[in-house]
Amino acid sequence: DTGVSQDPRHKITKRGQNVTFRCDPISEHNRLYWYRQTLGQGPEFLTYFQNEAQLEKSRLLSDRFSAERPKGSFSTLEIQRTEQGDSAMYLCASSLGQTLNTEAFFGQGTRLTVV
Amino acid sequence: AQSVTQLGSHVSVSEGALVLLRCNYSSSVPPYLFWYVQYPNQGLQLLLKYTTGATLVKGINGFEAEFKKSETSFHLTKPSAHMSDAAEYFCAVIFGGGNKLTFGTGTQLKVEL
Repeated sequence: DTGVSQDPRHKITKRGQNVTFRCDPISEHNRLYWYRQTLGQGPEFLTYFQNEAQLEKSRLLSDRFSAERPKGSFSTLEIQRTEQGDSAMYLCASSLGQTLNTEAFFGQGTRLTVV
Repeated sequence: AQSVTQLGSHVSVSEGALVLLRCNYSSSVPPYLFWYVQYPNQGLQLLLKYTTGATLVKGINGFEAEFKKSETSFHLTKPSAHMSDAAEYFCAVIFGGGNKLTFGTGTQLKVEL
């Protein structure tokens, strides 16, 4: 399968714990996005990488959230000191190209439950 | 402020009936427009997109959408609904100068026999 892969698919954690999610984009896609989706809402943008550079971060991304894409390939999203409000589906997407209208391909997401 | 509005969080149609899902955006500059579909426990799949050129765009699974600048709308239609169309549909926009998709709140489509 050459689609966007996310790991794990599901994560249950206790409040206050740290969690890390991984996203493997489609090979050679230079752009990578993280979104968060809560029940009944559309995905909300969190952050965006072009190659290894993090070019934009949403104000939703508090200082407890950090994302990396060290070699311009896979990316990780870490949430420190999780809170119940962090419970959501975290979606990763990737795209290829220099223009903004190229299609973004989404992974199946990681569902986080903070108890 | 730039925003995306989907009217109707739930739409129910009979199999074979017309599907119409509404999307309006707020922007002074024509954006790039997209429709995505999401099946349960799945990621989002692109149905169609408008960037430039012909304002009526055709997508996968028989869906199409028309960009109407004067109405700031990009409604999604399908002439005849099929049971397999039941899913959640999201309108999304890249506003001028931006780097990201901004999504509407979604419309859950139910198809009944």
